[in-house]
Amino acid sequence: DAKTTQPTSMDCAEGRAANLPCNHSTISGNEYVYWYRQIHSQGPQYIIHGLKNNETNEMASLIITEDRKSSTLILPHATLRDTAVYYCIAISGSARQLTFGSGTQLTVLP
Amino acid sequence: AAGVIQSPRHLIKEKRETATLKCYPIPRHDTVYWYQQGPGQDPQFLISFYEKMQSDKGSIPDRFSAQQFSDYHSELNMSSLELGDSALYFCASSSPGQGGWETQYFGPGTRLLVL
Repeated sequence: DAKTTQPTSMDCAEGRAANLPCNHSTISGNEYVYWYRQIHSQGPQYIIHGLKNNETNEMASLIITEDRKSSTLILPHATLRDTAVYYCIAISGSARQLTFGSGTQLTVLP
Repeated sequence: AAGVIQSPRHLIKEKRETATLKCYPIPRHDTVYWYQQGPGQDPQFLISFYEKMQSDKGSIPDRFSAQQFSDYHSELNMSSLELGDSALYFCASSSPGQGGWETQYFGPGTRLLVL
């Protein structure tokens, strides 16, 4: 699976949009981009995933660049409960394991 | 919606003891994964099972074994426990989605402390 690179930490004001970037320049054509988050010591929580097209669900939006070398997770109206470590993972459809990198610590400030 | 259930949620053991962690996947999910997260570390994949057969193996110590039962629940057996086994242990489950891609859903974890 392709290596992903994320900023170590980010801050966001409560109520504002949080934009979390992820670089995956070596991603292959059959690899999806998955986003999970982990709120302190809780189980990782699935957020969203995509292959080529932008995706949106009740939690977030995922914007993938046309060349698929990077993506951005958008939390439209961040709340204090969104404070967590966010993981961007590139994974092929046949893979049986998630490889967690360092992730981005997002802190939502009041 | 039903989620992954793990038991116990907390476990304290002495060195050289054994421990058994249990995982009950989301109903109709046929694949189970185990991950270990040490203090200050990111989750690391240990092992996975699909339809009761081991499908992938990660950095699981030889002292650990696991299996998946006919009702799809899984147990992680840990023997000769060491201080370094103190960690959060997460179970995740999945079922083939559209096109065969599988999204993993995690349980709340078992916190193991080895004294």
